[in-house]
Amino acid sequence: DQQVKQNSPSLSVQEGRISILNCDYTNSMFDYFLWYKKYPAEGPTFLISISSIKDKNEDGRFTVFLNKSAKHLSLHIVPSQPGDSAVYFCAASVKIQGAQKLVFGQGTRLTINP
Amino acid sequence: NAGVTQTPKFRVLKTGQSMTLLCAQDMNHEYMYWYRQDPGMGLRLIHYSVGEGTTAKGEVPDGYNVSRLKKQNFLLGLESAAPSQTSVYFCASRKGTSGYQETQYFGPGTRLLVL
Repeated sequence: DQQVKQNSPSLSVQEGRISILNCDYTNSMFDYFLWYKKYPAEGPTFLISISSIKDKNEDGRFTVFLNKSAKHLSLHIVPSQPGDSAVYFCAASVKIQGAQKLVFGQGTRLTINP
Repeated sequence: NAGVTQTPKFRVLKTGQSMTLLCAQDMNHEYMYWYRQDPGMGLRLIHYSVGEGTTAKGEVPDGYNVSRLKKQNFLLGLESAAPSQTSVYFCASRKGTSGYQETQYFGPGTRLLVL
């Protein structure tokens, strides 16, 4: 039962254009959402997050949108740069037995073409 | 600050062998986690710890044991390795003092191959 889904395994975008990565979730108990970026042979690094009480959070070139009614999350990167080429994971947080549990999507490999 | 470090970076085991993966963090974080990442499946939680001396099972705990004897270290043990445990293992930690909406910080990973 995949509670967090990233339905696009890969995405290719021209440098300078907007990259939009999508994530869907099924559990309405999730209350905090995060995006991580991962380069090959490295650990995931935190990119941006959003609480369920908000519908948008912005940090420089990165914006995350949350549509609670649709249970949908998206990450916008604008303008896209070659260094943005990586695998992006969305994660959803829920409190279980007194601890935070993160549930990850499968990841989307983003390639920025010069 | 080194952040979260993991030892070793890569290991090859034969079926039935045992090993321990070490995770260390120097951020004085309360919570620590072990995940595995397999192709097409994202990261799945194996075990976690909410503080020194405590451990709990995650989503996929079978075949693994953990210990948190010191706050800064979280050990993941494989008593009898199986080919199904071939994976990349990531450790993560978070402060645990700012509520539940906190970022988890990840180590660089340990790549394990079980033959």
